[in-house]
Amino acid sequence: AQSVTQLGSHVSVSEGALVLLRCNYSSSVPPYLFWYVQYPNQGLQLLLKYTTGATLVKGINGFEAEFKKSETSFHLTKPSAHMSDAAEYFCAVSGSTGNQFYFGTGTSLTVIP
Amino acid sequence: DAGITQSPRHKVTETGTPVTLRCHQTENHRYMYWYRQDPGHGLRLIHYSYGVKDTDKGEVSDGYSVSRSKTEDFLLTLESATSSQTSVYFCAIKNSGTANTEAFFGQGTRLTVV
Repeated sequence: AQSVTQLGSHVSVSEGALVLLRCNYSSSVPPYLFWYVQYPNQGLQLLLKYTTGATLVKGINGFEAEFKKSETSFHLTKPSAHMSDAAEYFCAVSGSTGNQFYFGTGTSLTVIP
Repeated sequence: DAGITQSPRHKVTETGTPVTLRCHQTENHRYMYWYRQDPGHGLRLIHYSYGVKDTDKGEVSDGYSVSRSKTEDFLLTLESATSSQTSVYFCAIKNSGTANTEAFFGQGTRLTVV
């Protein structure tokens, strides 16, 4: 079975500070992991994904995530927060059949000017 | 943005009434999904379709039914709406059933059952 845990439902950072959003997964098969971002009143947009190969994955808007199998983690980072990064972020793992994503409960990011 | 249109975008309905939400895609993707989003739960899968007339249940399918008569349309029906079905509903599409492909999401439908 697959599941995802996002630690911290709310994270606040100052503009220009490091963004770190945590995601741990549980998977009985090699995981495929995704980060999505949701801006207010919008759908989810893919930030990045890990499938195979390089464990450091770069995404859009300066975000990146590192797959660490030993820690069962896929944390999302950005070196310098921008006001436009304020949004809800979801980590997800793909089910073994490919027909379902298992989402975390989300982390709301606030950027303080 | 992927060509996904959800309608309506907002709806208020009374308990016990039937409600149908529509998802229309222009991408010719085979796989379509309905999720609901609730605070503290993230997104949970209601039903999905892997082709015309081919559908299957997700983890929260009770009280919902779906139909897909054309590749481009996937309908979600609440036979008799309840207050517990107040939620934001998202349609998603994928062009492949493999686990390493991402889904693309619509803008969502906010449903309130009073």
